[in-house]
Amino acid sequence: EAGVAQSPRYKIIEKRQSVAFWCNPISGHATLYWYQQILGQGPKLLIQFQNNGVVDDSQLPKDRFSAERLKGVDSTLKIQPAKLEDSAVYLCASSFPASLGAFFGQGTRLTVV
Amino acid sequence: QQQVKQSPQSLIVQKGGISIINCAYENTAFDYFPWYQQFPGKGPALLIAIRPDVSEKKEGRFTISFNKSAKQFSLHIMDSQPGDSATYFCAARNSGAQKLVFGQGTRLTINP
Repeated sequence: EAGVAQSPRYKIIEKRQSVAFWCNPISGHATLYWYQQILGQGPKLLIQFQNNGVVDDSQLPKDRFSAERLKGVDSTLKIQPAKLEDSAVYLCASSFPASLGAFFGQGTRLTVV
Repeated sequence: QQQVKQSPQSLIVQKGGISIINCAYENTAFDYFPWYQQFPGKGPALLIAIRPDVSEKKEGRFTISFNKSAKQFSLHIMDSQPGDSATYFCAARNSGAQKLVFGQGTRLTINP
């Protein structure tokens, strides 16, 4: 079974530039999550989708971050404009609805300089 | 109320020893408590999980102990091996919100 796929693996951008991350969840997983993991900290949930609807985006900085999930499958997370404090690993995870286990991708390491 | 507090921040254990990582929570609506293992450059991987209706769950060398009244749970790694060296995260989930909240992580080093 293929895992959660994310791209790119690494990205370096200058502050005020924009960046987009892509995630392809495990086939059949209706729930998709985007987490931000700052170095030395636990993952922090940014947004949670159920199919293509948003379940929770309470911790998403909506002035600069946006996310969408087209047709309830792939998802993109965008940052515009980026700030230095956005430097982190962005993790995508997926699970079956009401399932207990969430499976994570390898993440995208973003460095903002 | 959505926080999960994890300790210690880092832990060094000799090969063959027992590694113990502790977590505490406040939200009594949490009803699922997983532990994740993360190696450098990789995403977190589900290691073992427990529901609050049981006090202990064991899978191989890994055991979760759960104290519902104290709102605490811990991970025990028996016969710790150098390959267990990784960062471990506890987490908690509210079945209603399905939101998975993570602790701050413990960097575990097993010395050979």
